[in-house]
Amino acid sequence: KNEVEQSPQNLTAQEGEFITINCSYSVGISALHWLQQHPGGGIVSLFMLSSGKKKHGRLIATINIQEKHSSLHITASHPRDSAVYICAVQATGANNLFFGTGTRLTVIP
Amino acid sequence: NAGVTQTPKFQVLKTGQSMTLQCAQDMNHEYMSWYRQDPGMGLRLIHYSVGAGITDQGEVPNGYNVSRSTTEDFPLRLLSAAPSQTSVYFCASSYSGGGAFGSYNEQFFGPGTRLTVL
Repeated sequence: KNEVEQSPQNLTAQEGEFITINCSYSVGISALHWLQQHPGGGIVSLFMLSSGKKKHGRLIATINIQEKHSSLHITASHPRDSAVYICAVQATGANNLFFGTGTRLTVIP
Repeated sequence: NAGVTQTPKFQVLKTGQSMTLQCAQDMNHEYMSWYRQDPGMGLRLIHYSVGAGITDQGEVPNGYNVSRSTTEDFPLRLLSAAPSQTSVYFCASSYSGGGAFGSYNEQFFGPGTRLTVL
C-alpha cells in the first residue's frame, strides 16, 4: 500500500510544451512537498503547500485538499527541466514524509 | 553556507562490515533525517532527530543506528552490512518551526551516498 501515487511514471515532452504531473494521496495531510531530483542524484525542494496554489518562475503547484490531489505544472518546458519530480506528503499526526516513486520527465529540444 | 554535506559519496562494503555515513548541516536546523532510495520505491525514512540528544525510528530502522550529539551532525551507522542495505542514502534537514517535527518545512537534502554491499 502506497500512501502517495504519482502519474505518469515517465513523461517525454518537446521543448516548449506545457507539462502536468499528478500526485494523489490517501491520507489526511498537513502539507505536501514537490521535489526535483537531478540526473546527478541531488534533490532540491521546489514547493511546500497546504492549500491553494504556488508559483515560482515557470513552475506552478496546486493542491485540492478535498480531492486529495496535487498537480505540478511546468510552462514552456526546457531540456534543463529534465529530472525526476517527487511528491511527498506530511500526514496529519505523523512525524515523517511519505514519498511517491517519482515522475521521470525528459524534455527533448 | 555549505548546506547539508554527506560523506562519503560512494562506498563498497563486504557483508558483515560496519561503517558510518556522515551528515552535517550548517543552517542550525533542528530536524534531521536519513532516507534510503531504492529503485522503484519512494524515499523511505530510516531514522530522524528533532534536536540534539533526541532520535527516533522511521519506517525502515533495522540494521541502522543513529545519534545526535550536536545540532550540526547526524551520523548513520550500519552495524553489520547486508546486501539488502545496498542503496542510495540521503540526509535531510529542516527547521522545526511551524510543526512538531520539521516535516512541515522546506527540506534540504545532502548529495547522497551510494552504498554497495557485496
